[in-house]
Amino acid sequence: EAGVTQFPSHSVIEKGQTVTLRCDPISGHDNLYWYRRVMGKEIKFLLHFVKESKQDESGMPNNRFLAERTGGTYSTLKVQPAELEDSGVYFCASSFGLAGGIGELFFGEGSRLTVL
Amino acid sequence: GESVGLHLPTLSVQEGDNSIINCAYSNSASDYFIWYKQESGKGPQFIIDIRSNMDKRQGQRVTVLLNKTVKHLSLQIAATQPGDSAVYFCAEIRNRYSTLTFGKGTMLLVSP
Repeated sequence: EAGVTQFPSHSVIEKGQTVTLRCDPISGHDNLYWYRRVMGKEIKFLLHFVKESKQDESGMPNNRFLAERTGGTYSTLKVQPAELEDSGVYFCASSFGLAGGIGELFFGEGSRLTVL
Repeated sequence: GESVGLHLPTLSVQEGDNSIINCAYSNSASDYFIWYKQESGKGPQFIIDIRSNMDKRQGQRVTVLLNKTVKHLSLQIAATQPGDSAVYFCAEIRNRYSTLTFGKGTMLLVSP
């Protein structure tokens, strides 16, 4: 069975450009989470989808970030316009049940974003 | 891959030694704790978990200890191997409807 897949694995863009990251969760997982790890720091929560609905987007840094999950399958995270401080690794995770209800989270390998 | 170790506390051990990685968590009401391992270029992988009503749990070569009095969590790895080299994160879940809150991470370096 395929795990959580993310694309691209690495993106290098210039400040002011737009980047869209994609996450394909494990089939059947209603819960999809986006996290970000800025260089050398802790992994921080961005948002949580349950199917196509945003359950919690309290971690989204600002309105330059837009996440969607149309149809409740894959999700995209768009950064527009990108700033230098957006550089980091963006992780997607999915679970069958709620993470807080002890639904085990499965993480993708991450999309590394470098903003120059 | 990502330079996972910059600015992180680092624990360097010899192969075969036992390793202890520590973590302080923030919320005394947290219900559930998990240790994750992140290798360079990969996503976090589940290692072991523990509920707040326990103080110790053992897995294969790993043991997690929870001290709620001082809000401290530790991961013990027995007979550490070079393949254990990675960044280790603790994470807490505060309640059923919350998501994971990760700690800062510790880099473990195992030399042969």
